[in-house]
Amino acid sequence: EDQVTQSPEALRLQEGESSSLNCSYTVSGLRGLFWYRQDPGKGPEFLFTLYSAGEEKEKERLKATLTKKESFLHITAPKPEDSATYLCAVQDTGNQFYFGTGTSLTVIP
Amino acid sequence: DGGITQSPKYLFRKEGQNVTLSCEQNLNHDAMYWYRQDPGQGLRLIYYSQIVNDFQKGDIAEGYSVSREKKESFPLTVTSAQKNPTAFYLCASSPGTSAYEQYFGPGTRLTVT
Repeated sequence: EDQVTQSPEALRLQEGESSSLNCSYTVSGLRGLFWYRQDPGKGPEFLFTLYSAGEEKEKERLKATLTKKESFLHITAPKPEDSATYLCAVQDTGNQFYFGTGTSLTVIP
Repeated sequence: DGGITQSPKYLFRKEGQNVTLSCEQNLNHDAMYWYRQDPGQGLRLIYYSQIVNDFQKGDIAEGYSVSREKKESFPLTVTSAQKNPTAFYLCASSPGTSAYEQYFGPGTRLTVT
């Protein structure tokens, strides 16, 4: 069965302490992998799309990478305003979307 | 200013009543989606529409209905048949259904008592 698993469920970092969030997936064929940021009580905000293994995308302190089985969201020198839940989603070749349950990131000043 | 709007932000209803959640987009996107988000669970697809006057059931369509009479509008009705309707509802749109990211609205939190 196709699925998306994100780890860890929760992560607490000191301001400036870099780390990575993981999204592992099992789909019959990958059409795209998407990262979103979600603040409490709000809709997810689109961050990145990755299409093929080896691809990388960056935006400010965030960098997303993709392999054949997983994606990482690297956060470099995080700030308190980076605190949010980060969601991963994959779309398979049948155009079905599967969302992970997210990683809740807290950055402590 | 392009985007997706959902209204209202909070909605309260008594059990047994139908309720309609609004979703409007001015992004000129063809595809629109409705998701439900519950604590500790990933987003679950309720319905989606690829074009006007056409829509398909998602994974948890029972107890919900939709319409797509205009490209920019995709309202969701939560009927009294939905056994556990209290949740955070998210509407999204994308240019198409293949390899396009989805853009989400701000959500509607529905509480049924």
